[in-house]
Amino acid sequence: QKEVEQDPGPLSVPEGAIVSLNCTYSNSAFQYFMWYRQYSRKGPELLMYTYSSGNKEDGRFTAQVDKSSKYISLFIRDSQPSDSATYLCAGHSGGYQKVTFGIGTKLQVIP
Amino acid sequence: GAVVSQHPSRVICKSGTSVKIECRSLDFQATTMFWYRQFPKQSLMLMATSNEGSKATYEQGVEKDKFLINHASLTLSTLTVTSAHPEDSSFYICSARPGEVGYTFGSGTRLTVV
Repeated sequence: QKEVEQDPGPLSVPEGAIVSLNCTYSNSAFQYFMWYRQYSRKGPELLMYTYSSGNKEDGRFTAQVDKSSKYISLFIRDSQPSDSATYLCAGHSGGYQKVTFGIGTKLQVIP
Repeated sequence: GAVVSQHPSRVICKSGTSVKIECRSLDFQATTMFWYRQFPKQSLMLMATSNEGSKATYEQGVEKDKFLINHASLTLSTLTVTSAHPEDSSFYICSARPGEVGYTFGSGTRLTVV
């Protein structure tokens, strides 16, 4: 079992839709969770960084963490074609410990 | 925001030669940097953790003599792929953590060995 499981997609949605991206993880030591956006042939860009369970909102993006079920989500409101990219979830236990990534979900927002 | 600069963005080299990739933290000091490798349709795989002034820590299965890492200053880490072969062709990305926030990544280096 991978430490971080993520459906690779692809996921296609119409412009303006609410997008829901999800991951599950198995490592109980994870305390910090991240979502990255990666465009083709580019390095990942940090979107959200959260600690423990709860919600965090930043503009059109909302990250949710449920440690009891080991489930993390990213919601994108009013999706735009420019949101088309691969979204990577990740977790780590703190400090400079190893970050473990999911495989990434490829999202396509259709105009 | 914190920026990690990585060069070159693309490199093509002949089999048997060595290639050096640079990773710089532009507006913060990074005592620790991370090197990842990413194959198509696969996740980021940590290769090694680079520590300023000391030896790098390599992940299991990563050949330290093939992937030489040097972290000579608080803002620069380099990865040298020695005696490169076509199977080393991949996307290499460095990362650092500018304080108590998430990790910042460089733009990546696409290595093609012919």
